Amino acid sequence: EVQLLESGGGLVQPGGSLRLSCAASGFSFSLYAMNWVRQAPGKGLEWVSSISGSALGGSVNNAHYADSVRGRFTISRDNSKNTLYLQMDSLGAEDTAVYYCAKDPGFGGYDYWFFHYWGQGALVTVSS
Amino acid sequence: EVVMTQSPATLSVSPGENNTLSCRASQSVSRNLAWYQQIPGQAPRLLIYGASTRATGFPARFSGSGSGTEFTLTISSLQSEDFAVYYCQQYNNWPLTFGGGTRVEIK
Repeated sequence: EVQLLESGGGLVQPGGSLRLSCAASGFSFSLYAMNWVRQAPGKGLEWVSSISGSALGGSVNNAHYADSVRGRFTISRDNSKNTLYLQMDSLGAEDTAVYYCAKDPGFGGYDYWFFHYWGQGALVTVSS
Repeated sequence: EVVMTQSPATLSVSPGENNTLSCRASQSVSRNLAWYQQIPGQAPRLLIYGASTRATGFPARFSGSGSGTEFTLTISSLQSEDFAVYYCQQYNNWPLTFGGGTRVEIK
């Protein structure tokens, strides 16, 4: 069974930093692209960042970012720990959201960039 | 950036009714379109991918169609557990983008 468990959320002051983790189990983590999607309180879904897997057809650890976070957030993965990370720097009130970790379907060994399985989310609140 | 527009924003329906949700892309996304269901307080769940392929665990009353810029999600004979927010997402171009969502509520 695929399981994704986010951690590291909390309250941080504007301008501060936070690192989210997503512990994955139930699948061969290194083979799959992984993603972060966020949802501000009462709002819709917003894609944040994605990182490729090591399966066929993609560059290893190729990362993509939304314009709203590029230069401030860094996605990474530790395949030896089956863990995805999101380092968030220079946080502002607009970054307040539930952050979801999501797994790519990886059909046939390729990255598809939609979200097959989701974690339960980690709440990040940016406030003084 | 591909802008995804969903309509209507809210749909008030009675159990047992059939309904169609719309998702429009600002440029062609081929059939690289997914739908998600989000029940309040829960994480989203993948519902449809490839515009029309139903994900595991969803019944046949959910169906997706469309290609290019126009897509629809049809829910036949709505059940109580179907009242939720539905989002479309294109994965044809970077950045990945979602529609604003359609809330399906009980009339």
